[in-house]
Amino acid sequence: AQSVAQPEDQVNVAEGNPLTVKCTYSVSGNPYLFWYVQYPNRGLQFLLKYITGDNLVKGSYGFEAEFNKSQTSFHLKKPSALVSDSALYFCAVRGLNYGGSQGNLIFGKGTKLSVKP
Amino acid sequence: EADIYQTPRYLVIGTGKKITLECSQTMGHDKMYWYQQDPGMELHLIHYSYGVNSTEKGDLSSESTVSRIRTEHFPLTLESARPSHTSQYLCASSEYISGRADEQFFGPGTRLTVL
Repeated sequence: AQSVAQPEDQVNVAEGNPLTVKCTYSVSGNPYLFWYVQYPNRGLQFLLKYITGDNLVKGSYGFEAEFNKSQTSFHLKKPSALVSDSALYFCAVRGLNYGGSQGNLIFGKGTKLSVKP
Repeated sequence: EADIYQTPRYLVIGTGKKITLECSQTMGHDKMYWYQQDPGMELHLIHYSYGVNSTEKGDLSSESTVSRIRTEHFPLTLESARPSHTSQYLCASSEYISGRADEQFFGPGTRLTVL
């Protein structure tokens, strides 16, 4: 079964420090992976996606993610965190075109990122 | 400007009322979705549609219904609201080309409270 896991409910980082939000996945075949961010009382905003090619994917707001096939991971990173990065972050994997998932995105449970001044 | 809209943003309503949550997109997307999300929690897919006259149930069973009469419009209806329906409802859309992994674009959400 396709699934995605975000092992940390919350990540706390000091402003200016690097941040990592973890995501691992389980898929059949090549994974299509996504990161979204959600600010309070808002919908989700797309940050970046991995389809194929370079394992380091660059996205919006200075975020990047590293695809690691051997570790089945797709961790979100940023070299220097800002207080304004504080939000809820969701990792997602595209499900199969058949069966229950019908090509829809399967979301992780989310990780709350808190960046302190 | 291409976007996805949801109205109302906030709704407080009494038990037993019929409600319709509106979702419209000007992105030209075929596929649309409804998610239910308790604040700060995970998303649950409740409905989706491949295009006009297509509606499918998602992973989470829901008493709500949807319709897709126009490509850009995907309303969600609750015939008789109950307190257990209190949640945030997010609408999203994406292109639909089989085998392609297109990102979903989300509306701002409707926060529903049923008293």
